[in-house]
Amino acid sequence: DADVTQTPRNRITKTGKRIMLECSQTKGHDRMYWYRQDPGLGLQLIYYSFDVKDINKGEISDGYSVSRQAQAKFSLSLESAIPNQTALYFCATSDSATGRAFFGQGTRLTVV
Amino acid sequence: DQQVKQNSPSLSVQEGRISILNCDYTNSMFDYFLWYKKYPAEGPTFLISISSIKDKNEDGRFTVFLNKSAKHLSLHIVPSQPGDSAVYFCAATEAAGNKLTFGGGTRVLVKP
Repeated sequence: DADVTQTPRNRITKTGKRIMLECSQTKGHDRMYWYRQDPGLGLQLIYYSFDVKDINKGEISDGYSVSRQAQAKFSLSLESAIPNQTALYFCATSDSATGRAFFGQGTRLTVV
Repeated sequence: DQQVKQNSPSLSVQEGRISILNCDYTNSMFDYFLWYKKYPAEGPTFLISISSIKDKNEDGRFTVFLNKSAKHLSLHIVPSQPGDSAVYFCAATEAAGNKLTFGGGTRVLVKP
């Protein structure tokens, strides 16, 4: 079983719809992140959380919201999806001691 | 404004030869650097890291060099193998365990 699990793996949705991407981890890490990957732009940070009561905006948080339901769960929501949110989304956790991030397999989201 | 840049989007190298990937950063507060490798349909996986107190770190075929004065780091893969064909991301953080800022990635193709 994967240490960081994202659901769904693929999703096609219509413009204006609300969609939630879920992430769960078994690493026991306090720190969790949501990244978005676009071609040539690498991984851009959307939101991050250093513990259950801590939520922080990243570089590109507009149009997104998150919820940290438990230490192991961190979900990303698009309140009203738009086509330029079509991208590959990654959830990650990190070890505060080593700084190494562990990524899920990604969710490919297409907004039509 | 990208704080971490990988100026070569792609690199092609013959099997057995050296692959050199470059990364530049602008934020002088960055003091911990990591390289990640990504295969298609998978999340990025940690490859190697270096702290700013060092100028070199080696792990098997992979060596990372850091030039703080030039705000430049590089990843050397020797010898390159076909299984090394992937996208490589450079990442930086202000402290180990903090949020990572990624470069745009370099796609490496190792030809048999």
